[in-house]
Amino acid sequence: KQEVTQIPAALSVPEGENLVLNCSFTDSAIYNLQWFRQDPGKGLTSLLLIQSSQREQTSGRLNASLDKSSGRSTLYIAASQPGDSATYLCAVLHTGGFKTIFGAGTRLFVKA
Amino acid sequence: GAVVSQHPSWVICKSGTSVKIECRSLDFQATTMFWYRQFPKQSLMLMATSNEGSKATYEQGVEKDKFLINHASLTLSTLTVTSAHPEDSSFYICSARAPGTSGGASGTQYFGPGTRLLVL
Repeated sequence: KQEVTQIPAALSVPEGENLVLNCSFTDSAIYNLQWFRQDPGKGLTSLLLIQSSQREQTSGRLNASLDKSSGRSTLYIAASQPGDSATYLCAVLHTGGFKTIFGAGTRLFVKA
Repeated sequence: GAVVSQHPSWVICKSGTSVKIECRSLDFQATTMFWYRQFPKQSLMLMATSNEGSKATYEQGVEKDKFLINHASLTLSTLTVTSAHPEDSSFYICSARAPGTSGGASGTQYFGPGTRLLVL
């Protein structure tokens, strides 16, 4: 059974810091891994999608890496801003049944 | 990017009534749509996978007679919460998967904005 874990559960940093969010999954049989952002009471916004054959994806200040063999992914946020405050969710598309399995998320707060 | 809409965005209803939530993929055809439920400060829990033209596949523990799913077309799926009760109050999010580059199931999953249901 695929399980996705995100560490830390919550994180508070001062503005301008670079930070790393971690995601681990138990079964390496995945098609892809996706990072999402969710603002309070809102839906999900896709940030980055990494296919299983890829090692990383970049978008602006965000960089996501994938190490499928070790079951790990990281989301790197450079020069954090208060507007980055949100919950960040990691999700893997498992080959078993084409289901997307979500982690519990990391709640990020960036202080001005 | 691709857009998925949900309607309504929020609904308040009396216990015992049924509520229908619509999910539409606006600029792509989605052969597969997903319905999730999210409790406060918790992650998304997959309720069911909906394939166009066929019956939905429900996750373990989800009552199919309680949560009726219809995937009538390649751009529309509906979730009906039948005889809603206060414990059904939650945030319901739908998702549509765009076809992968090879036409397979590995395409990006796009999410709707969610529907907040409050059952009194």
